[in-house]
Amino acid sequence: GAGVSQSPRYKVAKRGQDVALRCDPISGHVSLFWYQQALGQGPEFLTYFQNEAQLDKSGLPSDRFFAERPEGSVSTLKIQRTQQEDSAVYLCASSLARGSQPQHFGDGTRLSIL
Amino acid sequence: EDKVVQSPLSLVVHEGDTVTLNCSYEVTNFRSLLWYKQEKKAPTFLFMLTSSGIEKKSGRLSSILDKKELFSILNITATQTGDSAIYLCAVIPSYQGAQKLVFGQGTRLTINP
Repeated sequence: GAGVSQSPRYKVAKRGQDVALRCDPISGHVSLFWYQQALGQGPEFLTYFQNEAQLDKSGLPSDRFFAERPEGSVSTLKIQRTQQEDSAVYLCASSLARGSQPQHFGDGTRLSIL
Repeated sequence: EDKVVQSPLSLVVHEGDTVTLNCSYEVTNFRSLLWYKQEKKAPTFLFMLTSSGIEKKSGRLSSILDKKELFSILNITATQTGDSAIYLCAVIPSYQGAQKLVFGQGTRLTINP
């Protein structure tokens, strides 16, 4: 596709529910990243995939957060037993190759936990 | 711990003014520094800088990196109301396996007509 596509754009869930956020990267992009952006802050790294391999998950805040990219294209970020502090914008980015290419971002999913 | 600090956090100017946004960093084995513009949606890529002293330019925007003093600046000349946005600075460390962007807090720029 022309750009990184994320869905849904907005998600409201009750505390304790599970949510799944989808990212469709730019076609042919090998690297895929998830970031969490709290209000008034810069994005913070969550996890990184190179093709289907999850090479870095050091930014995932707890074991309630899980990400996958089974076929090396679309990725899903899942949050189990959501809590209010999970409320944020979740941004997905993709890039052509390792490190030397800029990351291009999707519009994000705004998650609100009530 | 890798760290990026942007200043000012907020800036309000009149249309036509020139602005300079600052970004300083502390990072393990620096690889590159990037600038993004974020309006209401996705951060959009502006510049990627890897070498010191080489200015990158795109229209009214320009940026330069100083790897000795560990900072970068983003200049916008003849500002327009459409330049109003949050400007994000990020660095990529180069230790093995590191690909993530480490972002600063951003500078909120408001251009008044």
